[in-house]
Formats: sequence, structure tokens, C-alpha cells
Amino acid sequence: EAGVAQSPRYKIIEKRQSVAFWCNPISGHATLYWYQQILGQGPKLLIQFQNNGVVDDSQLPKDRFSAERLKGVDSTLKIQPAKLEDSAVYLCASRRLTGPGANVLTFGAGSRLTVL
Amino acid sequence: KNEVEQSPQNLTAQEGEFITINCSYSVGISALHWLQQHPGGGIVSLFMLSSGKKKHGRLIATINIQEKHSSLHITASHPRDSAVYICAVSGSARQLTFGSGTQLTVLP
Repeated sequence: EAGVAQSPRYKIIEKRQSVAFWCNPISGHATLYWYQQILGQGPKLLIQFQNNGVVDDSQLPKDRFSAERLKGVDSTLKIQPAKLEDSAVYLCASRRLTGPGANVLTFGAGSRLTVL
Repeated sequence: KNEVEQSPQNLTAQEGEFITINCSYSVGISALHWLQQHPGGGIVSLFMLSSGKKKHGRLIATINIQEKHSSLHITASHPRDSAVYICAVSGSARQLTFGSGTQLTVLP
């Protein structure tokens, strides 16, 4: 099966600009996650979707970050306006809700953001 | 909230050495994952385990539920094993809490 697709792979912007990342999960995976991974740290959950509903967005900086998964398939993560500390790799991951492999999380290659 | 600690943070080994990376967590879990992350950001799942031991090739993962501890072993290490190894735990909500990773460098 195809993996989790993310784009763009790399993005460089200036502070106060906006940026959007896209994720297409594995077909049939109801649960989708966005993680932020700052250099030298483990990934931190930003938001979790189940189908098109938000399960957990408690660590999403909602003053500047937004995410949506309108049709319960692909998702976008937006940052507006960006700050220097947003420089990180943004990882998308997905998993099945139930059945075989429901505990297996599959990650995309990530989108590396540099804010200058 | 589960706290996940890995040790060591950095590890340099000579090719052929036996390597151990440790992971401890603070709260009971449903599963523990070992992940491998190569430069460029992509993460690959190596193991998911909830008890006992699993082996895949030169990699072995063990978990002790009572002690809230897991280890990842690499036998006959090779330079291509150089990567960041991340431990992550999942609880009842199926969300993952990640450790900060162990940077492994295997020298030829």
C-alpha cells in the first residue's frame, strides 16, 4: 500500500509569513496526527483527527496554528504568522481505527520548515 | 501524563559492537514502540510490543512491564545502523508520547 504522503518536503519562509503543509494518509486510516519535531527533540503531538473530527488539539498553538481534515481523508496544517521558534519538521502520521494493525502508526517523511 | 526517558542521548560505537538503548516511562501503557529516524526526518516503526521480547534480524526489543522499562539491542552493529532511535509509548487514548531519542553513530 502507498505510504503517508506529505508536501512540501522543505520550506523556507521569513517570520510573520504564512505556510501550509499537506498530508495524505494511507487509504482507510481514520486517525491522523500532526507532530512537531524540533531539532534534537522527540516529536510533539499538535493535533489528532479521527475521520474529520478533532480528538485532541490541546497542544496546538491556536493563535497561529490551524489544521483541518474536511473530508476525513487528507489534511492541511497552517501556520500564520510564523515565528522563528516554529522551525521544525512537521510530521504527519496515520493509523487504522480498528482491526489488524490498529496500533501501528505510519509516518510520512515530514516537512522541514525553516523560519528566517 | 507519561514521561518517557531514553538513555543514552548520544552513542558512538565501532562496527561490530553490541549496542543497547534504554527507555523508561512513568505510567502504565498499552504498547511501547521503537522507531528509527534517519537524517531527513522520515520515521520507520521497528517494533511495537506490550510484553516480552521481539526480534527482527539484528534488532531485539525487550520490555519489562513491572519495571516500566524497555531496551533496544543491536547485535553486530553496522554503519548503516546510524540513526536516531526513538522510544514512544501509547496509553488508553492511543496517543503516543515520545522520548527525545538516542543518536547512534556506528563507525567503520
